Amino acid sequence: DSGVTQTPKHLITATGQRVTLRCSPRSGDLSVYWYQQSLDQGLQFLIQYYNGEERAKGNILERFSAQQFPDLHSELNLSSLELGDSALYFCASSVQSTTPYEQYFGPGTRLTVT
Amino acid sequence: AQTVTQSQPEMSVQEAETVTLSCTYDTSESNYYLFWYKQPPSRQMILVIRQEAYKQQNATENRFSVNFQKAAKSFSLKISDSQLGDTAMYFCAFMKHLPRVFGKGTKLTVNP
Repeated sequence: DSGVTQTPKHLITATGQRVTLRCSPRSGDLSVYWYQQSLDQGLQFLIQYYNGEERAKGNILERFSAQQFPDLHSELNLSSLELGDSALYFCASSVQSTTPYEQYFGPGTRLTVT
Repeated sequence: AQTVTQSQPEMSVQEAETVTLSCTYDTSESNYYLFWYKQPPSRQMILVIRQEAYKQQNATENRFSVNFQKAAKSFSLKISDSQLGDTAMYFCAFMKHLPRVFGKGTKLTVNP
């Protein structure tokens, strides 16, 4: 158990809908990262927050947005869902955002868009 | 942009034997970090081993070791005395600055 929690574990929804994925970082970790893992793909970095502020952005679609709240939990919002958005979404956390610090991954949320 | 290539989509090994997973990367940086992650069927991403590019000594963690060839931009993972619990996807990752770049993974199956 990494100490990072993600809810829900599974989510099935229809095209065009909007969903929110939630992540609670490890106690004491200020940085949260979101990744998308599609079938047969490695992890694609989406976005990072550090202590409530956006710190880095990857290939995140405009239909996707995220935020980190004062209690440091983070939410990833996915809207106008398409079949291709079906994937495993991971959240990871670390103490800081600088290079040497390890990222601890949550168990992921499996999103299925039908 | 940095890229990470894992040329072996799938591999298999007999229990107790040794297996080596390959990873190459492309970068113009001189200082960076390399990682191997394990993703078992539970889907949890677990850090296996980490290597700092400025360190010449290859990292080891129990049965896991790496062969880091900086000039060749190669970072292979050797698993000794393979166990059934080593069955998983293995991802190689590179990091200088954000984001961390992952390869597409190698599916390793350990057979009894």
